[in-house]
Amino acid sequence: EVQLVESGGVVVQPGGSLRLSCAASGFTFDDYTMHWVRQAPGKGLEWVSLINWDGSDTYYADSVKGRFTISRDNSKNSLYLQMNGLRTEDTAFYYCAKAGDSSSWLTFDHWGQGTLVTVSS
Amino acid sequence: DIVMTQSPDSLAVSLGERATINCKSSQSVLYSSNNKNYLAWYQQKPGQPPKLLIYWASTRESGVPDRFSGSGSGTDFTLTISSLQAEDVAVYYCQQYYNTPPALTFGGGTKVEIK
Repeated sequence: EVQLVESGGVVVQPGGSLRLSCAASGFTFDDYTMHWVRQAPGKGLEWVSLINWDGSDTYYADSVKGRFTISRDNSKNSLYLQMNGLRTEDTAFYYCAKAGDSSSWLTFDHWGQGTLVTVSS
Repeated sequence: DIVMTQSPDSLAVSLGERATINCKSSQSVLYSSNNKNYLAWYQQKPGQPPKLLIYWASTRESGVPDRFSGSGSGTDFTLTISSLQAEDVAVYYCQQYYNTPPALTFGGGTKVEIK
């Protein structure tokens, strides 16, 4: 069974930094592209970033480009999101999501439960 | 970026009746080289993460009940629940994955409730 468990969400001041982690199990982690998707409380979904299987390709939404960095450690079956220069509008649940298999590497076929990042003074 | 617009924002349907959700993209998400529409649908129940229902606009993910179906091409798409069940109460999102380099975008969501 695929399991994705996010951690690291806390309350942080504007301008601060935070690192989110996602522990993956139940599948061959280094076979798959991985994503971060966020959802402000009570709002819709926003794709944040993706990283390919070996970390050689990364892409970001314009809203986080230059501030967030996605990375992975395949030896630890773990995905990360380094968040710098945090803004109040970054407040959201952050979901780790596995790329689709037969669907597409650009869809999300399994999701974690999410971790809440609150940016507030 | 491609803008995805869903309608309606919410709808209330009686148990056993049909629910229809629309999704329109600001540009075509049909790739002419493979004749595939780069469009997916997700279901998000209260307090849960989203779940993939449909990809390539009309292919059901494994385990998804056949009362869920996707249709459409180009810029206009529909998710249909043929006979609404109580467990289908959720918010439904469409997502395009057409762009290269990737700039994935979702619709604003449609909330489905029981009438």
